Formats: sequence, C-alpha cells, structure tokens
Amino acid sequence: SYVLTQPPSVSVAPGQTASITCGGDKIGKRSVHWFQQMPGQAPVLVVYDDTERPSGIPERFSGSNSGNTATLTIGSVEAADEADYYCQVWDTRADHFVFGTGTKVNVL
Amino acid sequence: QVQLVESGGGVVKPGGSLRLSCAASGFTFSDYYMNWIRQAPGKGLEWISYISGGSSFTNYADSVRGRFTISRDNTKNSLYLQMNSLRAEDTAVYYCARRLGSAWFRLDPWGQGTLVTVSS
Repeated sequence: SYVLTQPPSVSVAPGQTASITCGGDKIGKRSVHWFQQMPGQAPVLVVYDDTERPSGIPERFSGSNSGNTATLTIGSVEAADEADYYCQVWDTRADHFVFGTGTKVNVL
Repeated sequence: QVQLVESGGGVVKPGGSLRLSCAASGFTFSDYYMNWIRQAPGKGLEWISYISGGSSFTNYADSVRGRFTISRDNTKNSLYLQMNSLRAEDTAVYYCARRLGSAWFRLDPWGQGTLVTVSS
C-alpha cells in the first residue's frame, strides 16, 4: 500500500513562511491534495491537484509537487493557521484514498 | 450550499452494531461517489469505504472489510454505514465526504463527523 510521510510538527513565527512536506514514492507523478483540520473540526480542502486553491482559500496557501516530495506552503502565517495539515492522494492500484501522517503547525 | 450531516454515533459495547447516516444537500447526490473516513482520538485520518453513485461499486479498507457495509438511498439523498462486530479500535469520529475529480480523486466537502465509542 502506498505510504505518505509527513513531519509530526512544524513551528513558525507569525508573518513567516511554513513549509509542510509530504513524502511518497514518485509522488510527483500523482496529484496531491491538502487538508487543514482545526481542533474539533472536520478537515477542509485548502489545495488540490498539487497547486490549485478552492474558492475562499487565501492566496497565502500554495502547493508544489515534484520527485518524491509534495509541499504545502503557508505564507505570512497567522495565529489562525495553527492546525493539523494532511496530504492525500488516490492509490489507483489499491483503489482507495491514502492520507499522510499529518503535521501540526505551531505558530510561535 | 453543499452540505453533509452525519448522525447515528454513540456508545456501543464490543461486538455490538451501529448504523451511521449522512444526509446530503446542495448537489445532485446520485452523481457522486461517497466515502466514509474515520479518525481515532488523537490520531490521523483513515479512509474506510466508498460507494459509487448507483451503488454498483464499493470498496473497503482491510480493517473493516467483512464487518462494515456501506450503502446509499438516492431517493433520500442519504449515505449509510452499517457497522457490525465493533471493536475498541473502531472508536473514532466518522466523517462522510464527497469524491471529486476525474482521475486523481479528492474529498470535498466533509461532514462535521459523528463520534462512535466502543467500550464495555
């Protein structure tokens, strides 16, 4: 089964840039989606198809994907961005969704 | 707007059964694959099942196959998850979500979740 690996946590000061990585074998050949999950709430899609933003998601959220690593970048981080973030891909061979291990973003 | 609302969670003893529901609104329900995903307390997200729009295709995670059954009623815009032979490790918040995309699928939106606790 396909495995996605994320760092457990990332710490960033307000106004700085946070980068969250998602590692997987040849992940650059897949489309990667990213979710933000606030405490006690459902996940919300913030980036899809590697780089696209759903309506209502700030431009501060961006994504990239190449080789064995996909990255979610949050620019000009705010306290409200403190949350868990998950990457996700579709595993065509297994015919199901796969989630990354999740990264907690701490705003200092 | 597109909305998903889960219900049916609660406390159940090991070996017991529970049926979750997910009410959909704001979109043509029968046009979409639907999914169940769960999250154990303090843990990450785990996909557990999907069903096609016309109910012809389903799939399950190995952790629930043979114990859980996904179904839907397009006349009621509702998705269901019948959970049997429940175990302590099934304790989690259960979310329903719509599948989007043409090849590299994504899940959007998600419901608010319903908590299932398996405990004696």
